[in-house]
Amino acid sequence: NAGVTQTPKFQVLKTGQSMTLQCAQDMNHNSMYWYRQDPGMGLRLIYYSASEGTTDKGEVPNGYNVSRLNKREFSLRLESAAPSQTSVYFCASRISLAGVQETQYFGPGTRLLVL
Amino acid sequence: RKEVEQDPGPFNVPEGATVAFNCTYSNSASQSFFWYRQDCRKEPKLLMSVYSSGNEDGRFTAQLNRASQYISLLIRDSKLSDSATYLCVAVPTGTASKLTFGTGTRLQVTL
Repeated sequence: NAGVTQTPKFQVLKTGQSMTLQCAQDMNHNSMYWYRQDPGMGLRLIYYSASEGTTDKGEVPNGYNVSRLNKREFSLRLESAAPSQTSVYFCASRISLAGVQETQYFGPGTRLLVL
Repeated sequence: RKEVEQDPGPFNVPEGATVAFNCTYSNSASQSFFWYRQDCRKEPKLLMSVYSSGNEDGRFTAQLNRASQYISLLIRDSKLSDSATYLCVAVPTGTASKLTFGTGTRLQVTL
């Protein structure tokens, strides 16, 4: 099992450009999450998908959109990148079954620099 | 008040020392708890779950105090390789749960 994979690993954008960060998991997990991590701020939830077909805003959704393409894949889109979106982005997944005490597993992250 | 609070540190300890971190949570409905380890420029990785009765995994011991709403992580015989940031996580009830992460405590183990 590859676990949670993310592409690309690194990306440099100019202000105003758009891009999509890809995430996939092969653990048959129901829930998927996108976080950003900035120095001193910890992990902040951008969007999450509790199950296939649903998405919800997290703590910092402005400037982002998501698509839960299928059970395996959850993408994050920046329509018009801004320097404030320079960050490390982590995707995570969780089984989310009733009665199962289970936590999240993270992908390796995407480092994004917006100039 | 943040839902999950941790002392950011850094905790600088010599190799072989015992070090403990606490993490307080504000949501009394939180049902399960975990500790993660995050190395510099890497993703958080699950270190251990925290059970109500306390649990041990080698040199690591995790404890939960529901009355005072905190969890703790004790590391015995610290190794240089334990240097990392340790994140605590509280999980509320419900399958569509949004986990709440602390901002992490940085540990630096020195010779």
